[in-house]
Parts: sequence; C-alpha cells; structure tokens
Amino acid sequence: EAGVVQSPRYKIIEKKQPVAFWCNPISGHNTLYWYLQNLGQGPELLIRYENEEAVDDSQLPKDRFSAERLKGVDSTLKIQPAELGDSAVYLCASSWGALVNTGELFFGEGSRLTVL
Amino acid sequence: DAKTTQPTSMDCAEGRAANLPCNHSTISGNEYVYWYRQIHSQGPQYIIHGLKNNETNEMASLIITEDRKSSTLILPHATLRDTAVYYCIVRTPFTGGGNKLTFGTGTQLKVEL
Repeated sequence: EAGVVQSPRYKIIEKKQPVAFWCNPISGHNTLYWYLQNLGQGPELLIRYENEEAVDDSQLPKDRFSAERLKGVDSTLKIQPAELGDSAVYLCASSWGALVNTGELFFGEGSRLTVL
Repeated sequence: DAKTTQPTSMDCAEGRAANLPCNHSTISGNEYVYWYRQIHSQGPQYIIHGLKNNETNEMASLIITEDRKSSTLILPHATLRDTAVYYCIVRTPFTGGGNKLTFGTGTQLKVEL
C-alpha cells in the first residue's frame, strides 16, 4: 500500500517568490493534515481537512498561506510571498476519521523549504 | 491541551533496552497517550498508543502508571536504526469533533555500539 506522497522533497527559492507543495494521502483516508516543522522542534498543525472542508485552520497564517483540497483527495499548500522565516519542513499526514476512534496519523516524508 | 514533558536526549547501547520516560500529569481520563518517532529527514512514524493498560506490539511496549500521570516507552533490544527523536503525545479533542496530536520537542535517542 502506498503511503502519503509529498512533492517536492526539497525546494529552494528566493524571498518574495511563491511556492507550492502537493500531498497525496493514503487511499480512503478522509482526513488530511498539514504540519509545519521548524528545525529542532516538533511538528505544528497548520490545517486539517475533513474531505474537502477545512475544519481547523486556526494556525494557518492566512495573509500568505493558503491550502486547498478540491476533490477531497489531493491537497496543495501554497505560500505567497515566501519570507525567510518560512524555511522549514512542511509535512502532510492523513488518517481515517480524524482519530475519532483509536487510530494513527500517517505522515509523508515532508517538503523541505529553504528561502534565501 | 494536556502537556507532556520528556528528557531532551538519551543514550542507549545497542542490544540493550531503551526506556523513554514521559510525564503527562494533566492528562484527562479519556485521553490516550501516543508515541511517535522521527528518524532524521523522514516524517514521524507511529509506534504505539494506550489509555490505561500496558500495551505491546512488534515495535515497543508502553507502560502507563496507574494514576496515568506518566508513561514509559520501552524498546526491548535497541538497534542503531532506532536512533531518532521520540515524541510522547496526549491525544486531545478538536473543537467541533475529532482528535488531534500536538507534538512537543521529544527525546533524541542515540543508540551506540
């Protein structure tokens, strides 16, 4: 079974440029999460989707960050314009049912962004 | 959200048991304890979870104290491939439904020859 797939794995851009990350969750998983991980820190939740609906985006900086999951499967996370402080790893995870019962999050390998 | 406290780092000799402690003194009665690990340059990987009883799977054992205020993850025979950051997490509810995992900074376990 394929896991959570993210691309690109690495991205280097100059500040003020736009960038987008793509995530394909595990087949059948209706809940999708985007996490941000700064160096030496644990992942922090940015946004959670239930199917195509963003049900928790309180931690997403909406002035420059946006996300979508149009058909309830793949998702993209966009930053425009990028700032130096956005350099981090962006992790996508998926699960069945938002851990309503016992269950686990499955993470992708992440997209490492470097803003110069 | 229930907060967890873990040592910043630990060392373990290969082949020995690695015992990783975690304090979660503010945990509520229906909140689960989860453990994940993150190997360098990879995403976090699920290890085990539990509520009250001790749990064991092919990767590890989870020992939860009777008062549920702390737990210990045990890797019975650590190998070099177990070198990773280990996160102890208390699963808490989202407002509006579902549950979430809030990661702390974890314990960096280094397994050495």
